[in-house]
Amino acid sequence: EAQVTQNPRYLITVTGKKLTVTCSQNMNHEYMSWYRQDPGLGLRQIYYSMNVEVTDKGDVPEGYKVSRKEKRNFPLILESPSPNQTSLYFCASSLSRSSEQYFGPGTRLTVT
Amino acid sequence: EDKVVQSPLSLVVHEGDTVTLNCSYEVTNFRSLLWYKQEKKAPTFLFMLTSSGIEKKSGRLSSILDKKELFSILNITATQTGDSAVYLCAVDPPWETSGSRLTFGEGTQLTVNP
Repeated sequence: EAQVTQNPRYLITVTGKKLTVTCSQNMNHEYMSWYRQDPGLGLRQIYYSMNVEVTDKGDVPEGYKVSRKEKRNFPLILESPSPNQTSLYFCASSLSRSSEQYFGPGTRLTVT
Repeated sequence: EDKVVQSPLSLVVHEGDTVTLNCSYEVTNFRSLLWYKQEKKAPTFLFMLTSSGIEKKSGRLSSILDKKELFSILNITATQTGDSAVYLCAVDPPWETSGSRLTFGEGTQLTVNP
């Protein structure tokens, strides 16, 4: 089944404790992206990747890192999480930037 | 800065009503406009519009783009309770202005009551 998977689905952590949210797709998509969704602000792009080893900042990259060592995986790293990073995070992939995006199930992160 | 504005932000209707959701954008010469439906989970793709004036249709849902007036509408006829969701609009700007950043609107929360 074609899908985008994210782990963990729910995470409660404390300020400053490094964490990684994994994202994997099995559709051989070149384009992958991370979004955060907050009430009243909609979906905002954090980082995106056009292909392996090619990543770039989205609209709200501060406090996040990504890597794209393999085509299928695009982890999101929070080196020192803060409470303002409490949010719902979605990973998405598509054949290209202009193709329809397939979204993962979301990761609800709470930073206390 | 690219901007996508959706209206209304919230809408409550009864089953069987027809609704029109609006998406306006401050991005000229963009590549495509996309509509997504988000229930209590991840967004799912509905339509991609690239040409002005050409309606895309899927069952009771349809959408059209007006590139001159910089807006798109999403119509849902004979609404059902299963149409209750947040509907998101996203614009794909030209490469030279925003790299590869898609811009989403805030979404319209549609509630269909029985």
